[in-house]
Amino acid sequence: GENVEQHPSTLSVQEGDSAVIKCTYSDSASNYFPWYKQELGKRPQLIIDIRSNVGEKKDQRIAVTLNKTAKHFSLHITETQPEDSAVYFCAATLSFNDYKLSFGAGTTVTVRA
Amino acid sequence: EPEVTQTPSHQVTQMGQEVILRCVPISNHLYFYWYRQILGQKVEFLVSFYNNEISEKSEIFDDQFSVERPDGSNFTLKIRSTKLEDSAMYFCASSSTGTGTEAFFGQGTRLTVV
Repeated sequence: GENVEQHPSTLSVQEGDSAVIKCTYSDSASNYFPWYKQELGKRPQLIIDIRSNVGEKKDQRIAVTLNKTAKHFSLHITETQPEDSAVYFCAATLSFNDYKLSFGAGTTVTVRA
Repeated sequence: EPEVTQTPSHQVTQMGQEVILRCVPISNHLYFYWYRQILGQKVEFLVSFYNNEISEKSEIFDDQFSVERPDGSNFTLKIRSTKLEDSAMYFCASSSTGTGTEAFFGQGTRLTVV
């Protein structure tokens, strides 16, 4: 099965600075990589995703990059704001015969005002 | 915006008792999932369900667990004889197609086994 590693486990940034979270995956057949944001006591919510035929995707202050050769993908948050404080999970899934998401361990992001 | 809804939000049960967690997926979705999250840990896949049968299950999903879609709207997770280590947040999710599309999560049911 797929194994997803996520780093760092905690990240503290000053408001306005950038935050970067990195994930690696084990199965080269994986082709869908979503990122979820989970606020305390709430459900995970998709913030951005990327498919393996794309190297980078951006949505306002959030971007994700994918390096298939190295089997890693990263989340970039620019101009961080206090409301960006949350736990962020990366995930990966295979393209066929695998309907599950394999999640990373999560990164607790704290944005200091 | 359509949402996945789960009931109850919090369930406390005694060890050895059966519990049923309920979910109403988004109405036009075809794929349904259960995940669990032990406090402070990662979200873990339990089972996926499509076309009225299990598509895939993890090693966590042993004989104590079962899923059912009793009617056109509900999707349930049953734990037959709960153990202390079953205490976790259980999330239901659904997606319109299988892999490669967004899975929408419910708000979760916090199960506490005492």
